[in-house]
Amino acid sequence: NAGVMQNPRHLVRRRGQEARLRCSPMKGHSHVYWYRQLPEEGLKFMVYLQKENIIDESGMPKERFSAEFPKEGPSILRIQQVVRGDSAAYFCASSPLLDQPQHFGDGTRLSIL
Amino acid sequence: SQELEQSPQSLIVQEGKNLTINCTSSKTLYGLYWYKQKYGEGLIFLMMLQKGGEEKSHEKITAKLDEKKQQSSLHITASQPSHAGIYLCGADGGGNNRKLIWGLGTSLAVNP
Repeated sequence: NAGVMQNPRHLVRRRGQEARLRCSPMKGHSHVYWYRQLPEEGLKFMVYLQKENIIDESGMPKERFSAEFPKEGPSILRIQQVVRGDSAAYFCASSPLLDQPQHFGDGTRLSIL
Repeated sequence: SQELEQSPQSLIVQEGKNLTINCTSSKTLYGLYWYKQKYGEGLIFLMMLQKGGEEKSHEKITAKLDEKKQQSSLHITASQPSHAGIYLCGADGGGNNRKLIWGLGTSLAVNP
């Protein structure tokens, strides 16, 4: 059973470009979480999705950031008009049920030039 | 809002020594999770604790949650170089959203 797959592993963008981060949860997992990890700040929750629904996006900046988890295909975290401060490691996690542990992907390391 | 404090921030031990990492919450925990992260990689799930007084073990790692469900400890017995990494505790508040709030992590180095 494949784990949580995130791609790309590394992404380089110039300021003002768009970044798309993809996450395929483990088979049978319908709960997807996105976290951001900044040096010295630790992991921070961004958004929680179930199939086709955003349940909680309280940790996501109001502008430029969006997330989706369509019926078919991976979950996408989209950052428009990236700025230097968006440089971070973005992790996706999935779980089969609410009270089950979250399993993490290896993350996407986003660098903004 | 809930905060998690981990101690120590970093730890260097000699191979074979025992060690303990602590995680303290500002609020009563619904669930407490321990993960391990190696540099540049994702998080590996270690253990989940939900009941006051609960204790779980896997190989040489034991995690405990106190009766008040505000403090957890992770104990490694006879440490090995393979135990090196960053240990993170995460807490969820229960309900319909199990987003995790995280401590800053404890960086562990084990010298052979």
